[in-house]
Amino acid sequence: NAGVTQTPKFRILKIGQSMTLQCTQDMNHNYMYWYRQDPGMGLKLIYYSVGAGITDKGEVPNGYNVSRSTTEDFPLRLELAAPSQTSVYFCASSSGQGRSGAYEQYFGPGTRLTVT
Amino acid sequence: QKEVEQDPGPLSVPEGAIVSLNCTYSNSAFQYFMWYRQYSRKGPELLMYTYSSGNKEDGRFTAQVDKSSKYISLFIRDSQPSDSATYLCAMSPYNFNKFYFGSGTKLNVKP
Repeated sequence: NAGVTQTPKFRILKIGQSMTLQCTQDMNHNYMYWYRQDPGMGLKLIYYSVGAGITDKGEVPNGYNVSRSTTEDFPLRLELAAPSQTSVYFCASSSGQGRSGAYEQYFGPGTRLTVT
Repeated sequence: QKEVEQDPGPLSVPEGAIVSLNCTYSNSAFQYFMWYRQYSRKGPELLMYTYSSGNKEDGRFTAQVDKSSKYISLFIRDSQPSDSATYLCAMSPYNFNKFYFGSGTKLNVKP
């Protein structure tokens, strides 16, 4: 299993541009999450999904959109990029079931995004 | 007030030392508590988890939760240079839709 994969690994955007961060998991997990991690800060939840077709906002959703048309994929869309969106973005998934499955999130390697 | 507070460190200790990492939180609805380890330029990975108050031990690692004080700890015994990483606490209420992370403590174990 590849686990959670994210593309691209790095990206530089100009202010006002848009892009989609891709996330795919091959573990048949129902729960998927998008986080951002700023230097010296913890992970902040942007959006999450509990299954295909179901998404909801996290702590910091402004400036982002998501969709979940399949169990495997959970893309994050940035519209009108701003310098404040410069961060490392992590996608994660969880089975949401079982004694340990509910606790354990599997993280992708991250996407480093710079907006200038 | 942040939901989860964690001392960012950095914390530098000699090999073999006992390390204590801590988080405090403000939301009494948190029921599930986790510790993640994150190596540089990698995604976090789950280290330990506990439910409600109490202790849990796994090898050299011990997690403690004191819900009355809203305080959780991770102890690392006989620390090794390979333990050098950032440690993030995380918490969740009754469901697992949302996780709240601390800012992380950077640990450096010197050989």
